[in-house]
Amino acid sequence: NAGVTQTPKFRILKIGQSMTLQCAQDMNHNYMYWYRQDPGMGLKLIYYSVGAGITDKGEVPNGYNVSRSTTEDFPLRLELAAPSQTSVYFCASSFQGTSGNTIYFGEGSWLTVV
Amino acid sequence: AQSVSQHNHHVILSEAASLELGCNYSYGGTVNLFWYVQYPGQHLQLLLKYFSGDPLVKGIKGFEAEFIKSKFSFNLRKPSVQWSDTAEYFCAVNRRRYTGTASKLTFGTGTRLQVTL
Repeated sequence: NAGVTQTPKFRILKIGQSMTLQCAQDMNHNYMYWYRQDPGMGLKLIYYSVGAGITDKGEVPNGYNVSRSTTEDFPLRLELAAPSQTSVYFCASSFQGTSGNTIYFGEGSWLTVV
Repeated sequence: AQSVSQHNHHVILSEAASLELGCNYSYGGTVNLFWYVQYPGQHLQLLLKYFSGDPLVKGIKGFEAEFIKSKFSFNLRKPSVQWSDTAEYFCAVNRRRYTGTASKLTFGTGTRLQVTL
C-alpha cells in the first residue's frame, strides 16, 4: 500500500524561484493537510482540505498556495521562495468519520532556499 | 484555539530505564489525543491514540499513555526503553465536534528522546 506519497524528497531553491510539492494519497481519505516542521517548533499546519474543491488556511499559510481538484491530490505551491521557507514539509491525510480519525503522514520533503 | 505543551524538550535515558513524557493540552471540550513518533530521517508514525473509553491506552512497541481529563494530560510511558526508541515524540490533539467528527490536529513541539547503551 502506497499511503501518502510526496515528491520531491529533496530540493534546493534559489530565492524568488517557485516550485510545487506534490502529494497524493490512495486511501480515499477526504481530509488532506500540509505541515511544515522546523527544529524545536513541532509541526505547524500550512493549509488543509476537507474534500475536493475545498481548501482552508492553517496556522502559517503566508507564502503558500494549494489546490484540491481531486480527492487524491493536494499540491503545495511556493510562488516566491524565501529563506524562511527552508523546512521539512509533510503532507498528510485522514478519513474524517465519526469518533475521531487517524492522520497518516508522507515521508517528507526537505526544502532549502538559498 | 487548542494548544499542546510538551515540557520535556530533550530527554536522555540509559537502556532499560523507565520513560514518562509529559503532554498537556488546553481545550475544555471533548478531544482526541495522539502520540506520534519520528525516527531519525523518517516520517511521523502513529504510536497510540485515545478517542474514548478506557483512559489507559496501549500502543505499539510497549508504549502506553494515560488520559487524565482533570489534568488535561496525556502522558506517554514505557517501563523499559531500548536504544531503538531513540526518536522524537510528538503529542497531538484535535477537538471532537458535536457531530462526532474531529477538527484538524494541533501538535506539541516534540520531545527528543536519546537512549544510551
